Amino acid sequence: QKEVEQDPGPLSVPEGAIVSLNCTYSNSAFQYFMWYRQYSRKGPELLMYTYSSGNKEDGRFTAQVDKSSKYISLFIRDSQPSDSATYLCAMKEGGSYIPTFGRGTSLIVHP
Amino acid sequence: EADIYQTPRYLVIGTGKKITLECSQTMGHDKMYWYQQDPGMELHLIHYSYGVNSTEKGDLSSESTVSRIRTEHFPLTLESARPSHTSQYLCASSESGFNQPQHFGDGTRLSIL
Repeated sequence: QKEVEQDPGPLSVPEGAIVSLNCTYSNSAFQYFMWYRQYSRKGPELLMYTYSSGNKEDGRFTAQVDKSSKYISLFIRDSQPSDSATYLCAMKEGGSYIPTFGRGTSLIVHP
Repeated sequence: EADIYQTPRYLVIGTGKKITLECSQTMGHDKMYWYQQDPGMELHLIHYSYGVNSTEKGDLSSESTVSRIRTEHFPLTLESARPSHTSQYLCASSESGFNQPQHFGDGTRLSIL
């Protein structure tokens, strides 16, 4: 079993939909949780960064961490075609510089 | 915003050639990393450095080497390229502190014929 599981998709939604992207993990020592967005032929871009459990909101994006269930989510409200990309979750232990990445979920928002 | 630059962006080259992929960052970050990324797969850590003259191998076995002579520069070298090296190579950096996230460059897409 991989430490971080992420459904690769693709996930196809209409413009304006609320999107939910998820990752599960098995390592209870993970304390820092990240979401990256990666457009085709570009590098991953940091979207959200949270510590421990709880919610964090930034514009149309909300990151949610549930450590008791070992489950993290990224919600995108009012999705736009420009949100079409691959979304990577990543997480790391408190004493580590190196995160463990999920495989990424491909999101397609069609007009 | 992170400023991390990778060159070349694309490279197609024959088997057996020596290749150096360049990575530079202008933020003064101590920590730098090289990842390999294949379509639909996790990022695999190849090498990392926690500072000048410090380099370590990552989880992915690779016939590559790195050097860190200057804080801002972290080149990756393949001594003899093989078709199995065809992939995207991503460079990243982060500030000191366990709570600091990694920031990535746009990658080098390498094709070995």
